[in-house]
Amino acid sequence: GQNIDQPTEMTATEGAIVQINCTYQTSGFNGLFWYQQHAGEAPTFLSYNVLDGLEEKGRFSSFLSRSKGYSYLLLKELQMKDSASYLCAPESRGYNKLIFGAGTRLAVHP
Amino acid sequence: KAGVTQTPRYLIKTRGQQVTLSCSPISGHRSVSWYQQTPGQGLQFLFEYFSETQRNKGNFPGRFSGRQFSNSRSEMNVSTLELGDSALYLCASSLEGRPGANVLTFGAGSRLTVL
Repeated sequence: GQNIDQPTEMTATEGAIVQINCTYQTSGFNGLFWYQQHAGEAPTFLSYNVLDGLEEKGRFSSFLSRSKGYSYLLLKELQMKDSASYLCAPESRGYNKLIFGAGTRLAVHP
Repeated sequence: KAGVTQTPRYLIKTRGQQVTLSCSPISGHRSVSWYQQTPGQGLQFLFEYFSETQRNKGNFPGRFSGRQFSNSRSEMNVSTLELGDSALYLCASSLEGRPGANVLTFGAGSRLTVL
């Protein structure tokens, strides 16, 4: 089975830093994806973590702790265009499907 | 490289009708997944196809079905439509759909309204 928990909504100020947490319980865990989805648009791939630790990709970083079933997405130097939903998706070995969390809706204010 | 193409983009049906949605994956991608997205439920997994075979199915009633053709294009069908089937149906393709090679590229979706 699978259980994914992330906050429903977050707000932040332009130029600030925000951390979006995701906890999961996934049998046969293999890795974890983060996707971004702007309102009315399709989700787009942000990051994929397999090993423990922080992976940095420009203004976005993603962290994974396999032993704790925990991940976070860190967004720096927030811009208005970062207002979107952020979806956490743990991946299971042996399962050819990706199950998404309900998503965290981030609103960036001036 | 063309992205994932879904047709139609918008459609309106009435209860009891049936609908067929189409998805053309990125060239070379062999795995196609379908998701239903509603405001209250988020992205719900419907099914995944690879080489014309359904490998995984989500928890949806039998009214929801799909298939994949030899060119990897996929269709999903919903029969006997209910009001609750109103949603955005998203198709996503990936190279092989196996763990470790499972980056999904989504299409723009087909927005279905059932009246």
